[in-house]
Amino acid sequence: GAVVSQHPSWVICKSGTSVKIECRSLDFQATTMFWYRQFPKQSLMLMATSNEGSKATYEQGVEKDKFLINHASLTLSTLTVTSAHPEDSSFYICSAPQRLAGSTDTQYFGPGTRLTVL
Amino acid sequence: GQNIDQPTEMTATEGAIVQINCTYQTSGFNGLFWYQQHAGEAPTFLSYNVLDGLEEKGRFSSFLSRSKGYSYLLLKELQMKDSASYLCAVKTGGSYIPTFGRGTSLIVHP
Repeated sequence: GAVVSQHPSWVICKSGTSVKIECRSLDFQATTMFWYRQFPKQSLMLMATSNEGSKATYEQGVEKDKFLINHASLTLSTLTVTSAHPEDSSFYICSAPQRLAGSTDTQYFGPGTRLTVL
Repeated sequence: GQNIDQPTEMTATEGAIVQINCTYQTSGFNGLFWYQQHAGEAPTFLSYNVLDGLEEKGRFSSFLSRSKGYSYLLLKELQMKDSASYLCAVKTGGSYIPTFGRGTSLIVHP
């Protein structure tokens, strides 16, 4: 099956620093990837859609200057949390669409990155 | 907007059967997914329903009634490893990005 990897799996940083999270599709090309954030006992919330070769599309309420997304190749998207603060501590998950049998897509998720900002 | 409702938590006994319900109010319904998410891990795809009826896949089955805005995930012969959060996600219109419910935390005990 399709595999999506994320790196790092967890990171602890000081307030004010920037953190980069990588999302890779390992056995397929992904022109589009998605970035989600999940707080404890909460649902997955879509943050942005990452598009290869063009600007990301951000969901309402997500600061594009704080969460920088770069989709430099067909297998790599990166999310950089700039000037991270404790309220940014969360579980960040990327995904890439994969075609199911038939005409619909599902999401193959990366293993997630646990960010803790001190 | 969309409203997806699932029970917050359920408990069941190993070997038993459990049904996790999901109701939704949305316009332009275009499919419903169920995902399993173990603590600290990413969700994994379980099932997809776009037409009414029951889809069976091993110990897991998923049912959809579009007229009622209702789906359930049925887990048979429960195992301890089935303890996880189960997410219902609805896709609408031309978007292929589903909206997720808050998930149902299932606890399987011996």
